[in-house]
Amino acid sequence: GIQVEQSPPDLILQEGANSTLRCNFSDSVNNLQWFHQNPWGQLINLFYIPSGTKQNGRLSATTVATERYSLLYISSSQTTDSGVYFCAVWAAGNKLTFGGGTRVLVKP
Amino acid sequence: DAGVTQSPTHLIKTRGQQVTLRCSPKSGHDTVSWYQQALGQGPQFIFQYYEEEERQRGNFPDRFSGHQFPNYSSELNVNALLLGDSALYLCASTTWAGKETQYFGPGTRLLVL
Repeated sequence: GIQVEQSPPDLILQEGANSTLRCNFSDSVNNLQWFHQNPWGQLINLFYIPSGTKQNGRLSATTVATERYSLLYISSSQTTDSGVYFCAVWAAGNKLTFGGGTRVLVKP
Repeated sequence: DAGVTQSPTHLIKTRGQQVTLRCSPKSGHDTVSWYQQALGQGPQFIFQYYEEEERQRGNFPDRFSGHQFPNYSSELNVNALLLGDSALYLCASTTWAGKETQYFGPGTRLLVL
């Protein structure tokens, strides 16, 4: 099956810093989503981004489907950005395959 | 517009017991998927239901079974619980026909003692 790898596995940021999270996938996909999992376990949708670039406030994402990767940018990070960020893809049907996540800690 | 809801929020069981978890999809969605998330890992796909039938299944044993009702809500049943079944169980909903974002519920935390 398709493999999804995220990097870095852990990230510690000072409040106000910018960062880039990467998601690589091993095969062609129909779609890709980025999620933020809060400390209570809720997966919050950030982006639905099969290709191209999208922005939402301080977050933006770019997917280059032909090269099988996606990037999530966090600008001017805040302590509320802490949590785990997951990339998930699906190739056939609606089954999502998740990466291992990037654990982000933003220090005040 | 209600999002995806799950019940119960927490559950404690002992080995060998059986458990049933419940999920109601987001309004307008007809497809429900279940995921298991072990501590420190990404969610793993268990199975997916559409039109009251299991459409796709991940690499989980037959102890994991499910059901979808005519109102699109779904149940996940796990028999003969093992310690390793302790995890966060997440339900996601979407539409079968369109390419649409999948929305997740808050999850059920299951602890098997």
